[in-house]
Amino acid sequence: GAGVSQTPSNKVTEKGKYVELRCDPISGHTALYWYRQSLGQGPEFLIYFQGTGAADDSGLPNDRFFAVRPEGSVSTLKIQRTERGDSAVYLCASSPHSGRADTQYFGPGTRLTVL
Amino acid sequence: GDSVTQMEGPVTLSEEACLTINCTYTATGYPSLFWYVQYPGEGLQLLLKATKADDKGSNKGFEATYRKETTSFHLEKGSVQVSDSAVYFCALGNSGNTPLVFGKGTRLSVIA
Repeated sequence: GAGVSQTPSNKVTEKGKYVELRCDPISGHTALYWYRQSLGQGPEFLIYFQGTGAADDSGLPNDRFFAVRPEGSVSTLKIQRTERGDSAVYLCASSPHSGRADTQYFGPGTRLTVL
Repeated sequence: GDSVTQMEGPVTLSEEACLTINCTYTATGYPSLFWYVQYPGEGLQLLLKATKADDKGSNKGFEATYRKETTSFHLEKGSVQVSDSAVYFCALGNSGNTPLVFGKGTRLSVIA
């Protein structure tokens, strides 16, 4: 079946602009996660949704970052007033149901470059 | 808080050599442990996992044993292939659907 998809695959923007990154999880997966991966590092958690609500947003670096999942499926990560330090690969993952550390299935990522 | 430490890379091996990538963790409770792999140009994929102490995860000739006494989950393979060249990430997930905590990754290059 279809895996997690993310669009766009690449996004280049200028400092100060607003960007939206989209994630389509695997159908039926209730949990959705956003991570950020900088060069040479492992993914770092940003925010996690269980259904439509953000269960944990403690990884968002500041209030320029916001994410929604209005219908419990597709999610959008929104970054306002982008800064060069926001440049990274943004990863989305989903997992089937709440439980003891279910396997997370990752999308290919969106590479964001802020000039 | 929870953390994962894995050996720094890059690691370069000849085909058919033995591989060990060390991973140790710090966590409260009883986490599940994972190895994810990222092949060139591809997304993260689950390689193997173990959900409780003494469990051994295995896949594609790789294996790792969850050692609670040493808080370790080292990745091993007896004979690597060129196609194993990738970045390997150790990760832990604690109880419930909490986010994964990843190590920094270890780049493996296997040369023919």
